[in-house]
Amino acid sequence: GESVGLHLPTLSVQEGDNSIINCAYSNSASDYFIWYKQESGKGPQFIIDIRSNMDKRQGQRVTVLLNKTVKHLSLQIAATQPGDSAVYFCAENNAGNMLTFGGGTRLMVKP
Amino acid sequence: NAGVMQNPRHLVRRRGQEARLRCSPMKGHSHVYWYRQLPEEGLKFMVYLQKENIIDESGMPKERFSAEFPKEGPSILRIQQVVRGDSAAYFCASSPPVRTDMQYFGPGTRLTVT
Repeated sequence: GESVGLHLPTLSVQEGDNSIINCAYSNSASDYFIWYKQESGKGPQFIIDIRSNMDKRQGQRVTVLLNKTVKHLSLQIAATQPGDSAVYFCAENNAGNMLTFGGGTRLMVKP
Repeated sequence: NAGVMQNPRHLVRRRGQEARLRCSPMKGHSHVYWYRQLPEEGLKFMVYLQKENIIDESGMPKERFSAEFPKEGPSILRIQQVVRGDSAAYFCASSPPVRTDMQYFGPGTRLTVT
């Protein structure tokens, strides 16, 4: 029979508002985390990364927060724009070469 | 500097046929990774290769799937005797030797098995 994937959680925001996308990671030994943006029909695009010895890192319009105590990662996008509409994945790396991806969140920006 | 290139972008195969997916890493990158993505899901690691070596194939199905990265030419992911469940998007990523945790992804190959 046909396999059906899980529906992605969706975050809908108004253009110009700030967006916060959350991710729970699984491996307490992971020491490097990455946020990727994936637009429809395209490959994941690197947004921002953070190492486990940090709890916050800022880029252009994006901030990643890391809470190792509860194994939680968040991506904040300031002044969200229609071009930010995509699916966002967090990924963790635990000193190996394999990235383990989270389930993804779909961000929809309303004009 | 061209990014990671994959071809074909779309591939349709009938059950029982073979699928060959190709990946050319970014210039200067000698590490290649293959991931599979089902609709509405995250990417799942399959295999990690360096030139002429398979480093980690812990995510590869035991049968029908194989991967190579020859000294010359692109990396190839080969699926023999495809089944409907192989339908997915297959992404290749590459990384430079000194930063194997920083992986850059290609546009993917969407395989449809009919």
